[in-house]
Amino acid sequence: DAGVIQSPRHEVTEMGQEVTLRCKPISGHDSLFWYRQTMMRGLELLIYFNNNVPIDDSGMPEDRFSAKMPNASFSTLKIQPSEPRDSAVYFCASSFSGTSGGHNEQFFGPGTRLTVL
Amino acid sequence: GEDVEQSLFLSVREGDSSVINCTYTDSSSTYLYWYKQEPGAGLQLLTYIFSNMDMKQDQRLTVLLNKKDKHLSLRIADTQTGDSAIYFCAEKPGGYIPTFGRGTSLIVHP
Repeated sequence: DAGVIQSPRHEVTEMGQEVTLRCKPISGHDSLFWYRQTMMRGLELLIYFNNNVPIDDSGMPEDRFSAKMPNASFSTLKIQPSEPRDSAVYFCASSFSGTSGGHNEQFFGPGTRLTVL
Repeated sequence: GEDVEQSLFLSVREGDSSVINCTYTDSSSTYLYWYKQEPGAGLQLLTYIFSNMDMKQDQRLTVLLNKKDKHLSLRIADTQTGDSAIYFCAEKPGGYIPTFGRGTSLIVHP
């Protein structure tokens, strides 16, 4: 398996532009997570899906951020309009939830480094 | 305060042992994890320990768990320059998603 795939790896955009980040989870995994990593705040969970349904989006910073998972093999994180403070590395991760209480390793993608000028 | 706390930096000499410490708050956590992030990459699971264990050893890695104090540590024996990375501690109550610490940057110098 190729692991979790994210695109693009790097994105540089200007303030006010729309940004779309993409993720392909590992085949067979039923949970997908979007994280944001910055020096100031560390690793923050933005949203996670189970069986393509958003379960917890309490980490999404504001209405400018939205995430979708139209099918089991694809998810997007959109920022519209983007702002300089959105500059960060965005990670997608997937896991298989299995039985409740089990060990559920998260597999992370390589991340998208976003720079908003 | 944060749910999972760890110091931000650790510097060691090559060949020495490294000990990275972590404290967590959720006493119902069933699994505790150590993830490693190398430069320019995502996090990767290094090792984990189930809450009914107090120690786990895997080659150069030793994980110690003190449930009473909610303290987790990762010891890396004979630290090499390739071990330079950010190490994240995470806790997971049964059935829920993990909570990550802010990560400890391990710097290994010759």
